[in-house]
Amino acid sequence: GAGVSQTPSNKVTEKGKYVELRCDPISGHTALYWYRQSLGQGPEFLIYFQGTGAADDSGLPNDRFFAVRPEGSVSTLKIQRTERGDSAVYLCASSLGGSGSGANVLTFGAGSRLTVL
Amino acid sequence: GQQVMQIPQYQHVQEGEDFTTYCNSSTTLSNIQWYKQRPGGHPVFLIQLVKSGEVKKQKRLTFQFGEAKKNSSLHITATQTTDVGTYFCNAGNNRKLIWGLGTSLAVNP
Repeated sequence: GAGVSQTPSNKVTEKGKYVELRCDPISGHTALYWYRQSLGQGPEFLIYFQGTGAADDSGLPNDRFFAVRPEGSVSTLKIQRTERGDSAVYLCASSLGGSGSGANVLTFGAGSRLTVL
Repeated sequence: GQQVMQIPQYQHVQEGEDFTTYCNSSTTLSNIQWYKQRPGGHPVFLIQLVKSGEVKKQKRLTFQFGEAKKNSSLHITATQTTDVGTYFCNAGNNRKLIWGLGTSLAVNP
């Protein structure tokens, strides 16, 4: 697509529930990133995909968080047994990937605001 | 681990005044990127600097990469209310793209 699309834009859930957040990157972008951002903070890295594989998942806070990108395009961030501390805006970004000068220039989606009650 | 520090954290200026934010790294960077995030919005790419001592301009914005490739600055000349937002630098050493905390700019009309 023309931009990075994230759904849902807003999600309110109860503590303990399971949540899925979806990201549809720019067509042709091989690299995909998930970040989360709390108010007044910079984006906090969660995971980076190059193609279908998670090249770096060191930012995932614990094993309740998992992300997939089965066909190298759309990605889903999955959060199990949500906690109030998971409340944040979850940002997805994509980039061309590879080794050129613009390889890691990020285009962000509008984010998914998650509120855990 | 790699750290990126941005100063100041907040800046409040009168419209028409200049503004500068600084980004400092503990290690040498292969490149540095700057993004702007409007209130309630998402980060939007502004520029990437690659070469030592590089200076790039975008209208009233001037970006500079230090000679040692450990620091960078963004200078805005004659701020306008449309410049309001948070300016982030990120260090492009690796795919994790370490982000600073940003500098939040408020502009009084």
